[in-house]
Amino acid sequence: AQSVTQPDIHITVSEGASLELRCNYSYGATPYLFWYVQSPGQGLQLLLKYFSGDTLVQGIKGFEAEFKRSQSSFNLRKPSVHWSDAAEYFCAVGLNDMRFGAGTRLTVKP
Amino acid sequence: GAVVSQHPSRVICKSGTSVKIECRSLDFQATTMFWYRQFPKQSLMLMATSNEGSKATYEQGVEKDKFLINHASLTLSTLTVTSAHPEDSSFYICSATLAEDNEQFFGPGTRLTVL
Repeated sequence: AQSVTQPDIHITVSEGASLELRCNYSYGATPYLFWYVQSPGQGLQLLLKYFSGDTLVQGIKGFEAEFKRSQSSFNLRKPSVHWSDAAEYFCAVGLNDMRFGAGTRLTVKP
Repeated sequence: GAVVSQHPSRVICKSGTSVKIECRSLDFQATTMFWYRQFPKQSLMLMATSNEGSKATYEQGVEKDKFLINHASLTLSTLTVTSAHPEDSSFYICSATLAEDNEQFFGPGTRLTVL
């Protein structure tokens, strides 16, 4: 069965610092991978997705993620975090049978 | 494109009443719609998958008689929480997909509070 693990429940970074959110997955075939962001009380916004091709994926708001098959990982990165990036981030795998990770809450210090 | 709406965005009801939540794909026809539930500070859990004109497929542990799903058209799916109780209070999110093996587009969610 497919599953997603986000090892970090909560991460705090200073504004302007770099960010990496970890995501590991378990999937039977070629994975379809996603990163979503959710602000409090809001729905999900898609940051980026990987279906195939280039393993480095560019998304919105300056985010990128790298698919590493050998490590079963799809980590999200941003070189310089802004205060508005504070939110909950979810990694997800699959299409019709999408499964979400537990989420990582990002706090940004001024 | 690929916009999904939900109505209402918030609902407060008394225990024992039923609540209906609508999910609409505004600019595309959705072959499949999904319903998720999210408890505070937790992840999304898939409740059920519905295809237009057929019965929904529920995930293990989800009571199909309590959470009634009707997918009446290619642009509308409804979730009815019957005889709601305080433990049903949650954030319900729907999504829709254009075709099988296609990505899901998510609605903004509905906050249900049962008093």
